[in-house]
Amino acid sequence: DGGITQSPKYLFRKEGQNVTLSCEQNLNHDAMYWYRQDPGQGLRLIYYSQIVNDFQKGDIAEGYSVSREKKESFPLTVTSAQKNPTAFYLCASSPGTARYSVLFGSGTQLSVL
Amino acid sequence: ELKVEQNPLFLSMQEGKNYTIYCNYSTTSDRLYWYRQDPGKSLESLFVLLSNGAVKQEGRLMASLDTKARLSTLHITAAVHDLSATYFCAVDKTGTASKLTFGTGTRLQVTL
Repeated sequence: DGGITQSPKYLFRKEGQNVTLSCEQNLNHDAMYWYRQDPGQGLRLIYYSQIVNDFQKGDIAEGYSVSREKKESFPLTVTSAQKNPTAFYLCASSPGTARYSVLFGSGTQLSVL
Repeated sequence: ELKVEQNPLFLSMQEGKNYTIYCNYSTTSDRLYWYRQDPGKSLESLFVLLSNGAVKQEGRLMASLDTKARLSTLHITAAVHDLSATYFCAVDKTGTASKLTFGTGTRLQVTL
């Protein structure tokens, strides 16, 4: 079955530590995205990529980094510079045209120890 | 800056009743998406609205888009408990769905 796989489901970060969230899709979608969701709020765009080896900052990119070395993979690193990382992180992908919805993975809950 | 506002933020309704959720946005766009989210879960795509006057229906949910008023509505007909969830609208300015701006969500609770 085609879909978007995020791992891990839960992740804990210690002070000063970088952590990486995995996102893989087998939908052959060109575009991939990372969103952050805080409790009781909507989603905010962190980074997005419309093609391999290229990505753009979203609205809240500070303290995060990404790479897009393969079409199917778009990992997100939460760096120690992100002072308030506790949130629900959602990876998404789309064919890259407005006709189709952006589809979302199951999410990773990141918490600070 | 594009702003997307939903109201109400919280809606408690009885089974069998009808209600409408509103999504207003601040700048011109003719591409709007509705999603559903259950607690602790991912977002499920409900509707894609791509032009002024677009109307889509699925079961007890119907969505419409008025681009001149910068308004989309999600109408719930004869609500059932299974519709309890948070509903988000999202607006796309780019034409490629590459930068969606989400509303804050409407938490719907359907009571017996």
